[in-house]
Amino acid sequence: GQNIDQPTEMTATEGAIVQINCTYQTSGFNGLFWYQQHAGEAPTFLSYNVLDGLEEKGRFSSFLSRSKGYSYLLLKELQMKDSASYLCAVRTGDQAGTALIFGKGTTLSVSS
Amino acid sequence: NAGVTQTPKFQVLKTGQSMTLQCAQDMNHEYMSWYRQDPGMGLRLIHYSVGAGITDQGEVPNGYNVSRSTTEDFPLRLLSAAPSQTSVYFCASSYTTGGEQPQHFGDGTRLSIL
Repeated sequence: GQNIDQPTEMTATEGAIVQINCTYQTSGFNGLFWYQQHAGEAPTFLSYNVLDGLEEKGRFSSFLSRSKGYSYLLLKELQMKDSASYLCAVRTGDQAGTALIFGKGTTLSVSS
Repeated sequence: NAGVTQTPKFQVLKTGQSMTLQCAQDMNHEYMSWYRQDPGMGLRLIHYSVGAGITDQGEVPNGYNVSRSTTEDFPLRLLSAAPSQTSVYFCASSYTTGGEQPQHFGDGTRLSIL
């Protein structure tokens, strides 16, 4: 079966660094996405990894290890507006119509 | 610059009623999909389409129908609403399903079945 695990909740303070982990066991792998979702809003795209290593985009970085079935999202210089849910999603194949399988999301609370 | 538009934003139905959730995108995306999001369950794929005239089932298709007569529109039909279908429904689209092609999500439809 398909399984994507993330911690349910995390807390951090403004200015700190937080790492949100994601482990996956899927029937195939063709890329991993991270989305941010504020309460009551739609998910928005943050990052994409398909090869091993680190991808950096400003304050956000994402890492992938395909051999370990593991990814993390690193958020630096945390701001109050970073309080949101962070969704890890795996594309399981390369055929047309291959869908994304989402984890249940990690709710991050940033306090001052 | 509308992106993905979902209507209605909120809806309350009685058990057994039918209705259609509308989804339209103006980005000429080939791939469209419907998800439901429930507390503690994450986003689950209901149906998807890789182009006009082509649809397929996702993880949780029972009780829902879709059609794709145009590239722009991908409506989701609830045939006979049940309380278990109370959820937030998101429509998403992307150019293709390959590469770094993120899915763009609509604002969601919050549906309650009494």
